[in-house]
Amino acid sequence: NAGVMQNPRHLVRRRGQEARLRCSPMKGHSHVYWYRQLPEEGLKFMVYLQKENIIDESGMPKERFSAEFPKEGPSILRIQQVVRGDSAAYFCASSRDSGAFFGQGTRLTVV
Amino acid sequence: QKEVEQDPGPLSVPEGAIVSLNCTYSNSAFQYFMWYRQYSRKGPELLMYTYSSGNKEDGRFTAQVDKSSKYISLFIRDSQPSDSATYLCAMRGGGSYIPTFGRGTSLIVHP
Repeated sequence: NAGVMQNPRHLVRRRGQEARLRCSPMKGHSHVYWYRQLPEEGLKFMVYLQKENIIDESGMPKERFSAEFPKEGPSILRIQQVVRGDSAAYFCASSRDSGAFFGQGTRLTVV
Repeated sequence: QKEVEQDPGPLSVPEGAIVSLNCTYSNSAFQYFMWYRQYSRKGPELLMYTYSSGNKEDGRFTAQVDKSSKYISLFIRDSQPSDSATYLCAMRGGGSYIPTFGRGTSLIVHP
């Protein structure tokens, strides 16, 4: 049973470009969460999704950020017109009805 | 006041020591409690998952929850240099599936 798969592991984007981060949850898991982590800081919740539904996006900036979890395929976190402050590690986690399991993250660097 | 408080450390101990890591929280609705281990530049790894108050043991790890004091602990027996990592507590409840994380405690076990 493969774990939570995230890709790419590293992503470099120039200011103003779009970043697209993908997450495939563990088999059988219907809950997906995205978190952002800055150096020396904890995990900051961004968005919680179930298949085809955004359940809670209270942690996501209102501008430029969006997330989806389609019926088929991975969950996508999209950041439009990236700025230097978007540079961080973005982690996806999935769960069924117990603890959440994390992927290895995507490290986004905006240059 | 943050919902989940965790001393960032670092906590430095000699190999073989018993390590005690702790979190306090303010939301009495939390019912599910988790501990994660995160190595540098890796995703968090779920170590322990407990429900409500009490103790749970898994190998060298023991998780303890005291809901009356809003205080949780993770004990590591016979600590090893390979235990050196950041340990994050997380919790959820009140009808929400979203885990709320502490900032993490950096643990260093020196030979």
